[in-house]
Amino acid sequence: GESVGLHLPTLSVQEGDNSIINCAYSNSASDYFIWYKQESGKGPQFIIDIRSNMDKRQGQRVTVLLNKTVKHLSLQIAATQPGDSAVYFCAENIFGWGKLQFGAGTQVVVTP
Amino acid sequence: EAGVAQSPRYKIIEKRQSVAFWCNPISGHATLYWYQQILGQGPKLLIQFQNNGVVDDSQLPKDRFSAERLKGVDSTLKIQPAKLEDSAVYLCASSIQGSLSGNTIYFGEGSWLTVV
Repeated sequence: GESVGLHLPTLSVQEGDNSIINCAYSNSASDYFIWYKQESGKGPQFIIDIRSNMDKRQGQRVTVLLNKTVKHLSLQIAATQPGDSAVYFCAENIFGWGKLQFGAGTQVVVTP
Repeated sequence: EAGVAQSPRYKIIEKRQSVAFWCNPISGHATLYWYQQILGQGPKLLIQFQNNGVVDDSQLPKDRFSAERLKGVDSTLKIQPAKLEDSAVYLCASSIQGSLSGNTIYFGEGSWLTVV
Protein backbone atom coordinates (compact mmCIF):
# COMPACT_ATOMS: atom_id res chain seq x y z
CA GLY A 1 0.00 0.00 0.00
CA GLU A 2 0.98 3.64 -0.06
CA SER A 3 3.42 4.59 2.62
CA VAL A 4 5.69 7.20 4.04
CA GLY A 5 9.39 6.46 3.97
CA LEU A 6 12.71 8.00 4.89
CA HIS A 7 15.80 8.20 2.69
CA LEU A 8 18.52 7.89 5.34
CA PRO A 9 18.31 5.53 8.29
CA THR A 10 21.16 7.23 10.19
CA LEU A 11 22.42 10.78 10.11
CA SER A 12 25.59 11.82 11.90
CA VAL A 13 25.87 15.55 12.52
CA GLN A 14 28.51 17.62 14.23
CA GLU A 15 27.31 19.78 17.06
CA GLY A 16 26.53 23.26 15.81
CA ASP A 17 25.91 22.20 12.25
CA ASN A 18 22.51 22.18 10.57
CA SER A 19 20.70 18.86 10.11
CA ILE A 20 18.44 17.93 7.24
CA ILE A 21 16.20 14.89 7.52
CA ASN A 22 14.35 13.80 4.40
CA CYS A 23 11.11 11.97 3.92
CA ALA A 24 9.30 10.70 0.83
CA TYR A 25 5.59 10.07 0.80
CA SER A 26 3.47 8.39 -1.80
CA ASN A 27 -0.10 9.09 -0.72
CA SER A 28 -1.12 12.08 -2.84
CA ALA A 29 -4.38 12.37 -0.91
CA SER A 30 -2.62 13.15 2.36
CA ASP A 31 -2.78 16.81 3.19
CA TYR A 32 -1.23 17.06 6.61
CA PHE A 33 2.23 16.03 7.71
CA ILE A 34 3.89 15.87 11.08
CA TRP A 35 7.42 15.41 12.35
CA TYR A 36 7.96 13.58 15.62
CA LYS A 37 11.09 13.16 17.70
CA GLN A 38 11.52 10.00 19.74
CA GLU A 39 14.23 9.75 22.35
CA SER A 40 15.32 6.39 23.66
CA GLY A 41 12.73 4.90 26.00
CA LYS A 42 10.18 7.62 25.38
CA GLY A 43 7.11 8.14 23.27
CA PRO A 44 7.14 10.26 20.10
CA GLN A 45 7.14 13.98 20.76
CA PHE A 46 5.49 16.42 18.37
CA ILE A 47 7.96 18.80 16.72
CA ILE A 48 6.20 20.60 13.91
CA ASP A 49 3.46 20.07 11.37
CA ILE A 50 2.56 21.42 7.96
CA ARG A 51 -0.54 21.41 5.82
CA SER A 52 -0.41 20.71 2.11
CA ASN A 53 -1.42 24.26 1.22
CA MET A 54 1.92 25.43 2.62
CA ASP A 55 5.47 24.99 1.34
CA LYS A 56 7.34 25.96 4.46
CA ARG A 57 6.78 26.34 8.14
CA GLN A 58 9.18 27.45 10.81
CA GLY A 59 9.40 26.73 14.49
CA GLN A 60 12.04 27.20 17.10
CA ARG A 61 15.28 26.01 15.42
CA VAL A 62 13.26 23.78 13.09
CA THR A 63 11.89 24.29 9.60
CA VAL A 64 9.73 21.89 7.63
CA LEU A 65 9.66 22.07 3.85
CA LEU A 66 7.04 20.41 1.70
CA ASN A 67 7.43 19.76 -2.01
CA LYS A 68 4.16 18.32 -3.27
CA THR A 69 5.44 18.04 -6.83
CA VAL A 70 7.92 15.34 -5.89
CA LYS A 71 6.11 14.26 -2.71
CA HIS A 72 9.00 15.14 -0.47
CA LEU A 73 9.14 16.44 3.07
CA SER A 74 12.19 17.61 4.98
CA LEU A 75 12.99 18.71 8.50
CA GLN A 76 15.82 21.15 9.04
CA ILE A 77 17.31 21.59 12.48
CA ALA A 78 19.49 24.65 12.95
CA ALA A 79 22.58 24.57 15.14
CA THR A 80 22.14 20.92 16.13
CA GLN A 81 22.68 20.21 19.81
CA PRO A 82 23.43 16.98 21.69
CA GLY A 83 19.84 16.99 22.92
CA ASP A 84 18.69 16.64 19.33
CA SER A 85 20.03 13.08 19.21
CA ALA A 86 16.98 10.91 18.67
CA VAL A 87 14.97 9.08 16.03
CA TYR A 88 12.90 11.39 13.86
CA PHE A 89 9.72 10.20 12.20
CA CYS A 90 7.66 11.84 9.54
CA ALA A 91 4.02 10.93 9.46
CA GLU A 92 1.12 11.71 7.20
CA ASN A 93 -2.45 12.20 8.24
CA ILE A 94 -4.64 9.91 6.20
CA PHE A 95 -8.28 10.40 5.32
CA GLY A 96 -8.71 13.43 7.55
CA TRP A 97 -9.23 11.33 10.66
CA GLY A 98 -5.98 11.95 12.49
CA LYS A 99 -4.89 8.47 11.51
CA LEU A 100 -1.14 8.77 11.23
CA GLN A 101 1.01 6.60 9.01
CA PHE A 102 4.62 6.71 10.11
CA GLY A 103 7.80 6.15 8.18
CA ALA A 104 10.59 3.94 9.49
CA GLY A 105 12.49 6.80 11.14
CA THR A 106 15.94 8.38 10.90
CA GLN A 107 18.43 8.08 13.73
CA VAL A 108 20.21 11.40 14.27
CA VAL A 109 23.50 11.22 16.13
CA VAL A 110 25.08 14.46 17.21
CA THR A 111 28.85 14.30 17.63
CA PRO A 112 30.93 16.81 19.59
CA GLU B 1 -1.10 20.03 31.77
CA ALA B 2 -0.72 16.32 32.49
CA GLY B 3 0.27 14.18 29.54
CA VAL B 4 -0.95 10.80 28.38
CA ALA B 5 -0.49 8.32 31.20
CA GLN B 6 0.24 4.65 30.58
CA SER B 7 0.84 1.65 32.79
CA PRO B 8 2.62 -0.59 33.29
CA ARG B 9 5.80 0.77 31.73
CA TYR B 10 7.38 -2.66 31.40
CA LYS B 11 5.99 -6.17 31.25
CA ILE B 12 7.57 -9.53 30.58
CA ILE B 13 5.27 -12.51 30.01
CA GLU B 14 5.50 -15.99 28.57
CA LYS B 15 3.88 -16.78 25.26
CA ARG B 16 0.24 -17.77 25.51
CA GLN B 17 -0.19 -15.68 28.64
CA SER B 18 -2.35 -12.56 28.74
CA VAL B 19 -1.49 -8.94 29.42
CA ALA B 20 -3.41 -5.70 29.77
CA PHE B 21 -2.26 -2.13 29.31
CA TRP B 22 -4.01 0.92 30.63
CA CYS B 23 -4.09 4.44 29.25
CA ASN B 24 -5.48 7.71 30.53
CA PRO B 25 -5.52 10.39 27.83
CA ILE B 26 -5.07 14.11 28.27
CA SER B 27 -8.12 15.59 29.92
CA GLY B 28 -10.71 16.67 27.40
CA HIS B 29 -9.29 14.69 24.51
CA ALA B 30 -12.09 12.88 22.72
CA THR B 31 -9.88 10.76 20.49
CA LEU B 32 -7.69 7.99 21.83
CA TYR B 33 -5.32 5.81 19.85
CA TRP B 34 -3.34 2.65 20.49
CA TYR B 35 -0.21 2.17 18.42
CA GLN B 36 2.19 -0.76 18.26
CA GLN B 37 5.85 0.04 17.72
CA ILE B 38 8.18 -2.83 16.96
CA LEU B 39 11.86 -2.15 17.57
CA GLY B 40 13.40 -0.21 14.68
CA GLN B 41 10.07 0.64 13.08
CA GLY B 42 7.60 3.48 13.16
CA PRO B 43 4.41 3.19 15.21
CA LYS B 44 1.51 1.36 13.60
CA LEU B 45 -2.07 2.22 14.47
CA LEU B 46 -4.00 -0.61 16.11
CA ILE B 47 -7.23 1.10 17.08
CA GLN B 48 -8.73 4.56 17.27
CA PHE B 49 -11.59 5.62 19.53
CA GLN B 50 -13.74 8.69 19.28
CA ASN B 51 -15.23 9.07 22.77
CA ASN B 52 -16.38 5.50 23.54
CA GLY B 53 -16.85 4.41 19.93
CA VAL B 54 -14.37 2.66 17.66
CA VAL B 55 -13.45 4.70 14.58
CA ASP B 56 -10.86 2.37 13.09
CA ASP B 57 -9.68 -1.06 14.18
CA SER B 58 -8.73 -2.39 10.76
CA GLN B 59 -5.18 -3.27 11.83
CA LEU B 60 -6.06 -4.79 15.18
CA PRO B 61 -5.48 -8.58 15.28
CA LYS B 62 -8.90 -9.27 16.68
CA ASP B 63 -8.26 -12.95 17.35
CA ARG B 64 -5.93 -11.98 20.20
CA PHE B 65 -6.14 -8.23 20.75
CA SER B 66 -9.05 -6.33 22.26
CA ALA B 67 -9.48 -2.78 23.45
CA GLU B 68 -12.19 -0.84 25.18
CA ARG B 69 -12.96 2.68 26.26
CA LEU B 70 -16.23 2.14 28.03
CA LYS B 71 -16.76 5.59 29.50
CA GLY B 72 -14.98 7.53 26.80
CA VAL B 73 -12.07 8.44 29.02
CA ASP B 74 -9.44 5.84 29.91
CA SER B 75 -8.82 2.75 27.86
CA THR B 76 -7.47 -0.78 28.20
CA LEU B 77 -5.68 -2.83 25.55
CA LYS B 78 -5.55 -6.58 26.12
CA ILE B 79 -3.58 -9.30 24.43
CA GLN B 80 -4.64 -12.91 24.94
CA PRO B 81 -2.91 -15.19 24.19
CA ALA B 82 0.37 -13.40 23.55
CA LYS B 83 2.77 -14.48 20.82
CA LEU B 84 6.48 -13.84 20.53
CA GLU B 85 5.89 -11.36 17.71
CA ASP B 86 3.79 -9.20 20.03
CA SER B 87 6.98 -8.00 21.71
CA ALA B 88 6.84 -4.27 21.11
CA VAL B 89 6.12 -0.93 22.67
CA TYR B 90 2.42 -0.16 22.95
CA LEU B 91 1.88 3.54 22.65
CA CYS B 92 -1.27 5.30 23.68
CA ALA B 93 -2.00 8.71 22.20
CA SER B 94 -4.78 11.25 22.30
CA SER B 95 -6.00 14.33 20.50
CA ILE B 96 -8.80 16.79 21.01
CA GLN B 97 -10.65 15.25 18.14
CA GLY B 98 -9.74 12.96 15.30
CA SER B 99 -10.14 15.36 12.42
CA LEU B 100 -7.48 17.07 10.39
CA SER B 101 -4.70 19.44 11.22
CA GLY B 102 -4.76 21.51 14.33
CA ASN B 103 -5.50 18.53 16.49
CA THR B 104 -2.05 17.47 17.52
CA ILE B 105 -1.70 13.86 18.59
CA TYR B 106 0.15 13.50 21.88
CA PHE B 107 1.82 10.23 22.84
CA GLY B 108 2.41 8.60 26.17
CA GLU B 109 5.75 7.06 27.18
CA GLY B 110 4.62 3.62 26.09
CA SER B 111 4.28 0.20 27.65
CA TRP B 112 7.17 -2.09 26.78
CA LEU B 113 6.14 -5.72 26.30
CA THR B 114 8.53 -8.63 26.03
CA VAL B 115 7.06 -12.04 25.26
CA VAL B 116 9.40 -14.95 26.00
